Amino acid sequence: DAGVIQSPRHEVTEMGQEVTLRCKPISGHDYLFWYRQTMMRGLELLIYFNNNVPIDDSGMPEDRFSAKMPNASFSTLKIQPSEPRDSAVYFCASSRGTGTYEQYFGPGTRLTVT
Amino acid sequence: GDSVTQMEGPVTLSEEAFLTINCTYTATGYPSLFWYVQYPGEGLQLLLKATKADDKGSNKGFEATYRKETTSFHLEKGSVQVSDSAVYFCALRETGGFKTIFGAGTRLFVKA
Repeated sequence: DAGVIQSPRHEVTEMGQEVTLRCKPISGHDYLFWYRQTMMRGLELLIYFNNNVPIDDSGMPEDRFSAKMPNASFSTLKIQPSEPRDSAVYFCASSRGTGTYEQYFGPGTRLTVT
Repeated sequence: GDSVTQMEGPVTLSEEAFLTINCTYTATGYPSLFWYVQYPGEGLQLLLKATKADDKGSNKGFEATYRKETTSFHLEKGSVQVSDSAVYFCALRETGGFKTIFGAGTRLFVKA
């Protein structure tokens, strides 16, 4: 199994630009999670999906952030417009809806907004 | 709401030393408990887990026991190696739900 795939691995953009982060979960996993990691705030859950449907987006910081999951094998996290305080590592994770629900994380996307 | 508190780092040890990283939690019901590890430049990966009181999770020489009476899940290893240098996260999955609550992480440095 290829594991959770994220792209790009690194993104550098200027303030005000739109940023789109991509994630392909592990096949057969029906939960998908987006996290943000910073030194100051640690690991924060932004949103999670079950069977492509958003279940809890209470962690999304503001309206500039949006996430979609058009099918079981693809999700996007979009920031528009981006701001320097959005600089962080963004992780996607997936899990099955049975068993102990352990999460499998992707390698992350390091976003730098200048 | 549910929460996880773990000891602040960094923790610096010499090779072959004994490791303890403390973790306590606040939760309703009977959450599942996890330790995840993050190596530099990588995502988190599951290290071990325990799903009910008195369960002991173990992997790669690491152990943790689910203590409901003290609401704790401390991570231990008898003899650390340089390759164990990483950030360790204690986490719980809320009872009846699918969100996982992560602690702040504890960075471990092991010196040769």
